[in-house]
Amino acid sequence: EAAVTQSPRSKVAVTGGKVTLSCHQTNNHDYMYWYRQDTGHGLRLIHYSYVADSTEKGDIPDGYKASRPSQENFSLILELASLSQTAVYFCASSEPDRINQDTQYFGPGTRLLVL
Amino acid sequence: EQQVQQSPASLVLQEAENAELQCSFSIFTNQVQWFYQRPGGRLVSLLYNPSGTKQSGRLTSTTVIKERRSSLHISSSQITDSGTYLCAMAPSNTNKVVFGTGTRLQVLP
Repeated sequence: EAAVTQSPRSKVAVTGGKVTLSCHQTNNHDYMYWYRQDTGHGLRLIHYSYVADSTEKGDIPDGYKASRPSQENFSLILELASLSQTAVYFCASSEPDRINQDTQYFGPGTRLLVL
Repeated sequence: EQQVQQSPASLVLQEAENAELQCSFSIFTNQVQWFYQRPGGRLVSLLYNPSGTKQSGRLTSTTVIKERRSSLHISSSQITDSGTYLCAMAPSNTNKVVFGTGTRLQVLP
């Protein structure tokens, strides 16, 4: 079964501090994604990546950077955390194929509280 | 503009009743997927259904691409079906998945 793990599972950060969220997948998938989930907004795409050493901007990239050092690892970086970035963050991986197309496999989420 | 609209926003059922969840898109897509999420929990893919009808156990999804809509039918609901059901799609020729805000389902004994 596909496996996506995230660390930390929860974090409290101070405004203006740097936060790094990590994601690791053992699915051998090329595609990885970072989403945030807020009440009333569903999930929104922050950054994604098709291949190692390359990242793309999603729908809400402002205030976030992403890093894909290897196929298995995808990080989300908040250089200057702000109160508005309090949310639950989900990582996902996928590998489009003929059968399942772009079925996404999600990690358990990271709950971030910025004070 | 919300590209993916889901209805109803919430639904309460008695155990064993059936549920019908709706999803509509503002743009054309060839990738439609339904997810399930417990409060604060991981999203789990239920069905990938870009067109036509697809069934998995008590779940049946029907997607009509030309009408830009998809539905998820849950038959004989169980208490453990309670949670949020999310519809997601990717605009044609992209991999940027867009999610709806979900339908919160509560199944009562």
